[in-house]
Amino acid sequence: ETGVTQTPRHLVMGMTNKKSLKCEQHLGHNAMYWYKQSAKKPLELMFVYNFKEQTENNSVPSRFSPECPNSSHLFLHLHTLQPEDSALYLCASSQEGGDRVMDTQYFGPGTRLTVL
Amino acid sequence: AQSVAQPEDQVNVAEGNPLTVKCTYSVSGNPYLFWYVQYPNRGLQFLLKYITGDNLVKGSYGFEAEFNKSQTSFHLKKPSALVSDSALYFCAVRRGSSNTGKLIFGQGTTLQVKP
Repeated sequence: ETGVTQTPRHLVMGMTNKKSLKCEQHLGHNAMYWYKQSAKKPLELMFVYNFKEQTENNSVPSRFSPECPNSSHLFLHLHTLQPEDSALYLCASSQEGGDRVMDTQYFGPGTRLTVL
Repeated sequence: AQSVAQPEDQVNVAEGNPLTVKCTYSVSGNPYLFWYVQYPNRGLQFLLKYITGDNLVKGSYGFEAEFNKSQTSFHLKKPSALVSDSALYFCAVRRGSSNTGKLIFGQGTTLQVKP
């Protein structure tokens, strides 16, 4: 719908597992974002990548490891997660930089993660 | 520090009535303001934004929002609500001079439109 896809849509994992979330944007944008959405809490920005460089890390635990191999793809590698990490993980993209009027962030459908 | 407040957890309106979802913000400098909607098990969909210019901004699905600088508000409105408008609505703000793309979101307001 919005040009941002995420896989898988649902993921159940144990605390000792390693998994990865994938995001792909087809909008030609140069910035990508990971957000965490938990029940009863505002969206929390986790990571920001501009031109494949990480520009923001909002004190995210090291068990979450982002990777941005190019401006169209973004991954979130997960290992030894905790049950409180269960949430909806949203990816977004936008066009940033220079004197442009700031563009809008477009979101993917999210990955619903459950940690057992 | 930037912040966004949506003072109502839930807003209930009857179908056909006007609706308002409130948002106030705090940011240094000129704000860029956004409204998003989220349907169950879906990501956020962009509705509208204010960057500069006319204080009344029109967006998708018949929604509009009014920027009020003196009251630091950006309330979302629609003249006639539909049952299908029932969803979770988020207001977000970004500092205009920022080039990092960082958006600060409110906690969300659930809109319930009853037939």
